[in-house]
Amino acid sequence: AQSVTQLDSQVPVFEEAPVELRCNYSSSVSVYLFWYVQYPNQGLQLLLKYLSGSTLVKGINGFEAEFNKSQTSFHLRKPSVHISDTAEYFCAVSDLSKGAQKLVFGQGTRLTINP
Amino acid sequence: DTAVSQTPKYLVTQMGNDKSIKCEQNLGHDTMYWYKQDSKKFLKIMFSYNNKELIINETVPNRFSPKSPDKAHLNLHINSLELGDSAVYFCASSQSMGTVYGYTFGSGTRLTVV
Repeated sequence: AQSVTQLDSQVPVFEEAPVELRCNYSSSVSVYLFWYVQYPNQGLQLLLKYLSGSTLVKGINGFEAEFNKSQTSFHLRKPSVHISDTAEYFCAVSDLSKGAQKLVFGQGTRLTINP
Repeated sequence: DTAVSQTPKYLVTQMGNDKSIKCEQNLGHDTMYWYKQDSKKFLKIMFSYNNKELIINETVPNRFSPKSPDKAHLNLHINSLELGDSAVYFCASSQSMGTVYGYTFGSGTRLTVV
C-alpha cells in the first residue's frame, strides 16, 4: 500500500519569507501525488497535483511542488508567504488496493506565518 | 452553490446515542467518500461508494453504516456512539472512481460525544 510521510509537523516562518513543506512517498511504478490545504474550521482544498509530465507543478495561491522520483519526494514551495497562508497542509498519494483507488494522506504540516 | 455539503456542521451527543450525518454533492461525480479526521488532524478513509455501490470499507466498526440512496448522496449513520468517535467527519466526491482528478471535500461535521 502507498503511504506518504510529511517530515515536519509544524513550520513557522515570517511573512514574505520563502517556505518549503516536505513530503516523501513510498515508491511505486506510477504515482499520483497531491497537496491539499485546510484553513481553520474548513474542509480540504486542492492546491495542486502531479499525474505525469513536467516534474514542476504549479498550483493555486502561488504554490508549486516538484516531483523527484529518485528521492521519492514531492515538496511544496512558495517563494513569499502571506499571513493568509496560515493553515494545515496535507500531502496525499493515490493508492490502488482491493481494486479501488483512494487518497492516502500524510500527517499534515501546520504552517504558521508570523508578521 | 456549495459543491459538497454536509449537515450538520456540529453535532454534540451523549454516549450510546445514534446519529446520522448527511452529505450531498451537486458536481455530477459518481464516487463519494467518508473520511475521519482525528484530534491530531490525521485523515483516514472510512468508506467509498461508486454509483451507490460500496467499494471501500476500511476496518470500520460495524456501528458505522453508510447509505447511498443515489450517486449524489452519501449518508453516515452511527449507532451506540462512543467517546472515541469524537472527530471531524469529511465527505468528499470525485469523478470516475479514480483519484487523478482529486477529491472535492465538504466542510466537515465536528462530532463530539460526551
